[in-house]
Amino acid sequence: AQKVTQAQTEISVVEKEDVTLDCVYETRDTTYYLFWYKQPPSGELVFLIRRNSFDEQNEISGRYSWNFQKSTSSFNFTITASQVVDSAVYFCALSEARYGGSQGNLIFGKGTKLSVKP
Amino acid sequence: DSGVTQTPKHLITATGQRVTLRCSPRSGDLSVYWYQQSLDQGLQFLIQYYNGEERAKGNILERFSAQQFPDLHSELNLSSLELGDSALYFCASSVGQGRNTEAFFGQGTRLTVV
Repeated sequence: AQKVTQAQTEISVVEKEDVTLDCVYETRDTTYYLFWYKQPPSGELVFLIRRNSFDEQNEISGRYSWNFQKSTSSFNFTITASQVVDSAVYFCALSEARYGGSQGNLIFGKGTKLSVKP
Repeated sequence: DSGVTQTPKHLITATGQRVTLRCSPRSGDLSVYWYQQSLDQGLQFLIQYYNGEERAKGNILERFSAQQFPDLHSELNLSSLELGDSALYFCASSVGQGRNTEAFFGQGTRLTVV
């Protein structure tokens, strides 16, 4: 069965600290897609990244970076030099190959609530 | 602002009632997705429509139904409401439905069943 596990329910850090949010997934598909979303206190879901299972290159976008490791079925998300505005709930999600990487039928993890204190 | 509009923002209703949630996708987007976010179940995919046709179905209860109209707006109908249906319902839209399309989420409709 397809499953996404975010073992960290809540993380609290002080501003400027680096923080890594863990995501472990389970799937029998050889082709799949992984996503990260941010849900700030205002409630909307903000798309951060999509990665397909054939691309194991790590990605960096400003202070954000993602480490995809198929060998451990993990897709971890690191925020460097965290800021108060990074405070949000972060969701990791998995999509089956038959949906072609679209954002329908996403299987979400339970989310990690990140609090960044000044 | 994602460009996806959901109305109403908040809805309070009694058990047994029926409600309709509305979603207006971004201009030009053909695909609409509905998600439910509850404390118990987390975020769950409900259903997807593409250009008026149902394309994918997730954990949507039989008491729930949806449709996408010719003007591409979508409605999610929830009937015989139960306390457990209280949740935040998100709509998202995208231009297409493949891997190169990004979906944008609305602000959600918070439904409270009392």
